[in-house]
Amino acid sequence: DAGVIQSPRHEVTEMGQEVTLRCKPISGHNSLFWYRQTMMRGLELLIYFNNNVPIDDSGMPEDRFSAKMPNASFSTLKIQPSEPRDSAVYFCASSPINRGSGNTIYFGEGSWLTVV
Amino acid sequence: AQTVTQSQPEMSVQEAETVTLSCTYDTSESNYYLFWYKQPPSRQMILVIRQEAYKQQNATENRFSVNFQKAAKSFSLKISDSQLGDTAMYFCAFMKHVQGAQKLVFGQGTRLTINP
Repeated sequence: DAGVIQSPRHEVTEMGQEVTLRCKPISGHNSLFWYRQTMMRGLELLIYFNNNVPIDDSGMPEDRFSAKMPNASFSTLKIQPSEPRDSAVYFCASSPINRGSGNTIYFGEGSWLTVV
Repeated sequence: AQTVTQSQPEMSVQEAETVTLSCTYDTSESNYYLFWYKQPPSRQMILVIRQEAYKQQNATENRFSVNFQKAAKSFSLKISDSQLGDTAMYFCAFMKHVQGAQKLVFGQGTRLTINP
């Protein structure tokens, strides 16, 4: 069974450019998460979706960041315009929804973004 | 708010030794889940072990086991017979339920080095 698939794995872009990160969750998983990892702030939850609906985007740093989930098998995280401080590893993760119990959250391999 | 604290930024042991990584957390919830994730240099987040708070028995996965002390809010990871491939960052994480979805809150991580 395929895991969470992210693309691109690595991206280097110039400041001011638009960046789009893509994610395909594990089939059958209803929850999708976007995390960011930096040396200074560690792992931060940016946004998560339940059944394609954004539930909590309080972790999104600012209006330059946006995320969509048009269907159950695809999500994007967009940064426009990008800035050097956005350089980080961005993880997509998914899990099944099972009310009343904790389900393991499975992570993709991450997208390593460098903004120069 | 839930917080997760890993008090050991770095640890180093010899191959085949046993090592214990510490983690404490703070929560007012009674039912929750705890996880240890491993992040090797490839940056992929790999689930090591999980523990349900309502279970008194400590979780075990091969060479990995936890010491879960609910009253003390402590969740340490023990790695027995350590191997070179265990070298990685290890993150303790607390799962909370928000609006039907699960959110992971991570500790700062412990960098573990296994020396030959």
